[in-house]
Amino acid sequence: NAGVTQTPKFRILKIGQSMTLQCTQDMNHNYMYWYRQDPGMGLKLIYYSVGAGITDKGEVPNGYNVSRSTTEDFPLRLELAAPSQTSVYFCASKWGGTSGHNEQFFGPGTRLTVL
Amino acid sequence: AQTVTQSQPEMSVQEAETVTLSCTYDTSESDYYLFWYKQPPSRQMILVIRQEAYKQQNATENRFSVNFQKAAKSFSLKISDSQLGDAAMYFCAYSHSMTQGGSEKLVFGKGTKLTVNP
Repeated sequence: NAGVTQTPKFRILKIGQSMTLQCTQDMNHNYMYWYRQDPGMGLKLIYYSVGAGITDKGEVPNGYNVSRSTTEDFPLRLELAAPSQTSVYFCASKWGGTSGHNEQFFGPGTRLTVL
Repeated sequence: AQTVTQSQPEMSVQEAETVTLSCTYDTSESDYYLFWYKQPPSRQMILVIRQEAYKQQNATENRFSVNFQKAAKSFSLKISDSQLGDAAMYFCAYSHSMTQGGSEKLVFGKGTKLTVNP
């Protein structure tokens, strides 16, 4: 299994540009997450999904959109990039429900710079 | 809302020695999970150890162990026989119980940077 994969690894955007961060998992997890990590900080939740077709906002959703059309994929969309969105973005997945150990598996991250 | 506090921005330890990283949290729930994640320079988030709040026994994973004090809402990580490869950022994280539904998100502290000196 590849686990959780993210593309791209690095990206530089100009203010006002848009882009999509891709996330795919091959573990058949129903829960997926997008976090951002600002310098010197822990991760903060942007959006999450408990299954295909179901998404909801986390702590810091402004400026982002998500969709979940399949179990495997959970893309994150930035419509009008702003310098405040310069961060490292992590995608994660887990098996939600009453079984398992509640562990989230993380992708390698995408470093995004908005200039 | 739940919060996680790591009061030590940086710690250092000599190779082969023992170091303890501190974490406190705030929650009104009685059933939850606590985690320590390691983030090396590669940025990959790696689960080090987990603790279920309903278990009184402290979790251990090889050289890593926790001191879970539920009443004090404290969850420290002890690394024994420290190795150069242990150098990383360490994040303490909280998640509510799976039986409560919702996002089951992780709430992270700000992290502790651990340096291991040869």
